[in-house]
Amino acid sequence: DTGVSQDPRHKITKRGQNVTFRCDPISEHNRLYWYRQTLGQGPEFLTYFQNEAQLEKSRLLSDRFSAERPKGSFSTLEIQRTEQGDSAMYLCASSLVLSAEAFFGQGTRLTVV
Amino acid sequence: AQTVTQSQPEMSVQEAETVTLSCTYDTSESDYYLFWYKQPPSRQMILVIRQEAYKQQNATENRFSVNFQKAAKSFSLKISDSQLGDAAMYFCAYRSARKDKIIFGKGTRLHILP
Repeated sequence: DTGVSQDPRHKITKRGQNVTFRCDPISEHNRLYWYRQTLGQGPEFLTYFQNEAQLEKSRLLSDRFSAERPKGSFSTLEIQRTEQGDSAMYLCASSLVLSAEAFFGQGTRLTVV
Repeated sequence: AQTVTQSQPEMSVQEAETVTLSCTYDTSESDYYLFWYKQPPSRQMILVIRQEAYKQQNATENRFSVNFQKAAKSFSLKISDSQLGDAAMYFCAYRSARKDKIIFGKGTRLHILP
């Protein structure tokens, strides 16, 4: 068990470009979450999946954000037409359906210049 | 909507001393979970301790314990015998038993003074 893995760890992109992040959850974890964390703040919920179904999406998530979990294993988070306000740490977490807590990856730090 | 409030942005404690981090939350539900997560600088978030709302007994994990006051909606974390490795951001978090997303507070940065 290697824990939750996120790739890349760091991403610098120019404003207007599209970026995609990947998350590999702990094997057999059927729930997968995406959070965004800005400096000095707590993680902010973006969306979550149970298996391949996206069950909830934050109203804060604009149409430029999309997430997928096509086979119920890894997930991708895509941000289209990035803006400077998208600069943040994007955290992925996973859990079992019967488990209360989630386990986090190390995050992907996005910088939009 | 559920909210989690951490009123102490930063705290400091002398090594080997005891420190208590405060957390309050707001919910209309009776069945839920509460957590404390630790996020060391540039490292991933890890679970420190969890508490089920239906349990009256306060959770304990080695040097970490909580004071869960359900009626007051208060959930504080006590760290005994503070160590340098305890320096981190600490987040209080809430999860309804009926819903799956975890809601976090803004965090408390804990400094350990040698």
